[in-house]
Amino acid sequence: NAGVTQTPKFQVLKTGQSMTLQCAQDMNHEYMSWYRQDPGMGLRLIHYSVGAGITDQGEVPNGYNVSRSTTEDFPLRLLSAAPSQTSVYFCASSKQDRGPYEQYFGPGTRLTVT
Amino acid sequence: GDSVTQMEGPVTLSEEAFLTINCTYTATGYPSLFWYVQYPGEGLQLLLKATKADDKGSNKGFEATYRKETTSFHLEKGSVQVSDSAVYFCALSDPATDSWGKLQFGAGTQVVVTP
Repeated sequence: NAGVTQTPKFQVLKTGQSMTLQCAQDMNHEYMSWYRQDPGMGLRLIHYSVGAGITDQGEVPNGYNVSRSTTEDFPLRLLSAAPSQTSVYFCASSKQDRGPYEQYFGPGTRLTVT
Repeated sequence: GDSVTQMEGPVTLSEEAFLTINCTYTATGYPSLFWYVQYPGEGLQLLLKATKADDKGSNKGFEATYRKETTSFHLEKGSVQVSDSAVYFCALSDPATDSWGKLQFGAGTQVVVTP
C-alpha cells in the first residue's frame, strides 16, 4: 500500500492564481479530510468527506473547494490564491470502522502564495 | 466548543532526559484522545491513543494516561533519544459533536533532543 499520497510537494503561486492539490489513498477508507498547518495553530480542518459524493465544510473552508467523485481521490482546489493561504496542507484518511478514528496523513504540500 | 491546549515549545532536552508534554482538553462529550508525532519534513503519525478514563496509551517508550478528573492527557518518556526530535500534537475526537471522528488538534510542541 502506498497509503495517502499528495502532489505536489511544493508549490509557489502568485496572488489570484488557481490550482488543485491532489490527494489519493489506496486503503479503501471512507473518510478523507484536508487540514492546513500554520505555526502556533496546530492543524485546522478545511473540508472533509464521509464518502464518495459527500463533502462538508470544516473550520476554515473559505477560499477552498473540494469534490469526491471516487473513494480514492479527494482534490482540494484553491479558487483564487491569496497570501493568507500560504501554509502546509495535509490530506488524511480513515476507515469508518477503525474507531476511535485513527487517521492516516499524507506527507503534505507546502504552498507559498506571493 | 471542543479545544485542546498543550504546552508551548520548543522544549530542548539532552539525550536520556525525561520528557513531559502537558495536554489538557475541553469537550462536550466523552472524547477519545490521541498523540500524533510529526518528524521533520513528514506528515503526522499516530503515536498513541486512549478511549476511556484511566486508559494508558503507550508506544515507542512514550506513555499517556487519560485523566478525566483533570481533563488531561500528558505525554511522557523516561529517556529521550535524538531521534525523538519532532513536533508532538495532542488531539481529541468527540463523538458528541462529530460522528465521523473529526480531530481537534492542539498547537503542537516542538521537542529538540541534543546529544
